[in-house]
Amino acid sequence: DAKTTQPPSMDCAEGRAANLPCNHSTISGNEYVYWYRQIHSQGPQYIIHGLKNNETNEMASLIITEDRKSSTLILPHATLRDTAVYYCIVRVVSYDKIIFGKGTRLHILP
Amino acid sequence: GAVVSQHPSRVICKSGTSVKIECRSLDFQATTMFWYRQFPKQSLMLMATSNEGSKATYEQGVEKDKFLINHASLTLSTLTVTSAHPEDSSFYICSARDPGGGAQIDTQYFGPGTRLTVL
Repeated sequence: DAKTTQPPSMDCAEGRAANLPCNHSTISGNEYVYWYRQIHSQGPQYIIHGLKNNETNEMASLIITEDRKSSTLILPHATLRDTAVYYCIVRVVSYDKIIFGKGTRLHILP
Repeated sequence: GAVVSQHPSRVICKSGTSVKIECRSLDFQATTMFWYRQFPKQSLMLMATSNEGSKATYEQGVEKDKFLINHASLTLSTLTVTSAHPEDSSFYICSARDPGGGAQIDTQYFGPGTRLTVL
């Protein structure tokens, strides 16, 4: 799996959009971009994934650059409950294993 | 989304005893499950991959005789920490792979975790 780089921490005001960047400059053509988050003392939660097109679901939007070397997870209206560690992972789906990096610790400020 | 449960959520045991943790996929069949360990303020570390009906595949550095994994059915995998010691105290998390259906891409769903404290 390709390596990802994320900022260790970010702050965002409650009600504003939280934009979490991820760099994956060595991504291969068959690797997807996945985002998970882990709220303190809970198991990780799947957020969204994509290959090359932008994706949106009820939780977030995923913007992938045209060259696929980076992506941004967008939480449109952040709430205090979005405080968590967010992990960006690239993987070949059929390879199964998810290897977690250090992620970004997102603090939502009231 | 799909639900994965773990039992117990929290366990305290004495040094030298064995502890079993269960991981269940509640609304889908999981041919593959994974076990992770997480120490405070650290990321999740993959311990092993569990495939139904076959032996688990352990990551480098993980003692297979200490962390026994059994995946006897499509909805249940167990992790047994044998002869537990205080350094085994950690947060253990399982995940289950949902193959999905049709054109969907499979996704892994995680359990809520089990907090093990060894005295």
